[in-house]
Amino acid sequence: AQTVTQSQPEMSVQEAETVTLSCTYDTSESDYYLFWYKQPPSRQMILVIRQEAYKQQNATENRFSVNFQKAAKSFSLKISDSQLGDAAMYFCAYRSPDSNYQLIWGAGTKLIIKP
Amino acid sequence: EAGVTQFPSHSVIEKGQTVTLRCDPISGHDNLYWYRRVMGKEIKFLLHFVKESKQDESGMPNNRFLAERTGGTYSTLKVQPAELEDSGVYFCASSQDRQGWTYEQYFGPGTRLTVT
Repeated sequence: AQTVTQSQPEMSVQEAETVTLSCTYDTSESDYYLFWYKQPPSRQMILVIRQEAYKQQNATENRFSVNFQKAAKSFSLKISDSQLGDAAMYFCAYRSPDSNYQLIWGAGTKLIIKP
Repeated sequence: EAGVTQFPSHSVIEKGQTVTLRCDPISGHDNLYWYRRVMGKEIKFLLHFVKESKQDESGMPNNRFLAERTGGTYSTLKVQPAELEDSGVYFCASSQDRQGWTYEQYFGPGTRLTVT
């Protein structure tokens, strides 16, 4: 069975600086999707970025980028130029290409932005 | 376009009572998912509907949980009778046609259930 591990329960960063959130996973599959979701306080969970396992190029969305290391089964999220609005719970998730489409989640990392 | 909505946003009930959570997916989304996050732990999959059919309910914890999706529109998740360990945040998500497995899941704000 697949598992996702986020080893940092909480991280803090100074506004305008860069922070990296860690995520590792375990799977025997060769094709899959990885996601980072963000849940601001009292708000909906939204997709930040996703990565297809068969793509070697790391995904990037504006200030958000990932470092995808398939052999190491690592999928970290880098947030550049951190802003106050980035404060949220960040969840790493895995999805298998089988018929279920269910997401398998990490425990989350609470990101605090210091002004 | 309206997003995924969930009702209520917060429910406090006593052990042994019944609670029904509701999820309205984005219009046109055939896939509907329920997830649960128990305090401080990872989010866990509960079940997946394709239209009105249960595609996968492998994550349902026990028979005190009953999910329905009449007519393939909104879904309800009933907990009867509620136990203390059922406390947590229940998320609903929806996505488009399952043939495109890359389709994003859109989440509702969640229902925080507290069983006392």
